[in-house]
Amino acid sequence: AQSVTQLDSQVPVFEEAPVELRCNYSSSVSVYLFWYVQYPNQGLQLLLKYLSGSTLVKGINGFEAEFNKSQTSFHLRKPSVHISDTAEYFCALRRDTGRRALTFGSGTRLQVQP
Amino acid sequence: KAGVTQTPRYLIKTRGQQVTLSCSPISGHRSVSWYQQTPGQGLQFLFEYFSETQRNKGNFPGRFSGRQFSNSRSEMNVSTLELGDSALYLCASSIGTSRGPQETQYFGPGTRLLVL
Repeated sequence: AQSVTQLDSQVPVFEEAPVELRCNYSSSVSVYLFWYVQYPNQGLQLLLKYLSGSTLVKGINGFEAEFNKSQTSFHLRKPSVHISDTAEYFCALRRDTGRRALTFGSGTRLQVQP
Repeated sequence: KAGVTQTPRYLIKTRGQQVTLSCSPISGHRSVSWYQQTPGQGLQFLFEYFSETQRNKGNFPGRFSGRQFSNSRSEMNVSTLELGDSALYLCASSIGTSRGPQETQYFGPGTRLLVL
């Protein structure tokens, strides 16, 4: 079975500060990794994804993530956050087995304070 | 291009009733997946449909069912509602190619179901 662990349920940070949201995964087969963001009363929006190739992946809104196979991690980073980045962030994986089902972590609530 | 649409957006039902939720995927997308989001269990996969066939099912009781129509629109049905079925139900669509696991799933805004 596969699993995704988001180590922090909440991350408070001041505006313009850097932030890192941590994600670790477990799987016995190759995986593809995703970060989604959910704003209040909305669905999920894809921030970025890792399929193969370069381990540093750049996404929308200035976010990036680094895939580390040896540490089974896929941490999300942003060098300078804005108030508008306040949202719930979900790390997810999909196994390379032909199916599209995503396995999600429990989410990290990013709270950007002025 | 219009995004994924879900109707209704909000729904209140009582225990024992049944409910049907609808999802219209992005034009040209052939794969539709459903997820349940609750504060306690988080986001959990319900099922995936492709070309009117259920391709994958999550660990949910048989009260949860779905179908997909020839135009790729999908419905999910929950019978004999329980209080624990209160959740945000999210639909996601993707193009539907042979590289399925690599595809991006685009999510709709969800249907918020409250069971009283």
